[in-house]
Amino acid sequence: AQSVTQLGSHVSVSEGALVLLRCNYSSSVPPYLFWYVQYPNQGLQLLLKYTSAATLVKGINGFEAEFKKSETSFHLTKPSAHMSDAAEYFCAVSLVNTGKLIFGQGTTLQVKP
Amino acid sequence: EPEVTQTPSHQVTQMGQEVILRCVPISNHLYFYWYRQILGQKVEFLVSFYNNEISEKSEIFDDQFSVERPDGSNFTLKIRSTKLEDSAMYFCASSGDGDGETQYFGPGTRLLVL
Repeated sequence: AQSVTQLGSHVSVSEGALVLLRCNYSSSVPPYLFWYVQYPNQGLQLLLKYTSAATLVKGINGFEAEFKKSETSFHLTKPSAHMSDAAEYFCAVSLVNTGKLIFGQGTTLQVKP
Repeated sequence: EPEVTQTPSHQVTQMGQEVILRCVPISNHLYFYWYRQILGQKVEFLVSFYNNEISEKSEIFDDQFSVERPDGSNFTLKIRSTKLEDSAMYFCASSGDGDGETQYFGPGTRLLVL
């Protein structure tokens, strides 16, 4: 069965520093992978997704993620954190031929001035 | 930009009561989903719906739960007899296609069962 693990429930960075949020997945077949962001009192917003095209995926707000099959990872990065990036970030996986998303437990990103 | 809307934003109910959570998906989408997030836990899949029938459901989605698309625009989740453990944030989502397509989420309904 597929699953997602996000390492670190809380990550704190300084403004301008690199953001790295880790996600590892378990799947017996190539999955689709997603990163969603949730701002306070809002729904989940798609940041980016991997669907078997390029392994380096660029998303909104300067975020990107690299699919590494050998490491079963899909880590999210941003070169320079902004205060507005403070939010909860969810990694999710879905299999081909099923739409349902399986989410990781989420990582809260704190950005310090 | 089209968006998924949900009503109400908050609902408080007594244990044993029925609740109906409402969602208006994006108008040209064909696939509809409900997820829930218990406070402090991960977002969990409940059910997917396509072509007026359930296409997949999780173990959580037992006989207490039902979904309906009553009028071609709304998509509802009914909990027949609420339990304390049903207290959670419930998210509706929709997508144009089921396979790897982006799911667009609503802002959620926070349900509190007393």
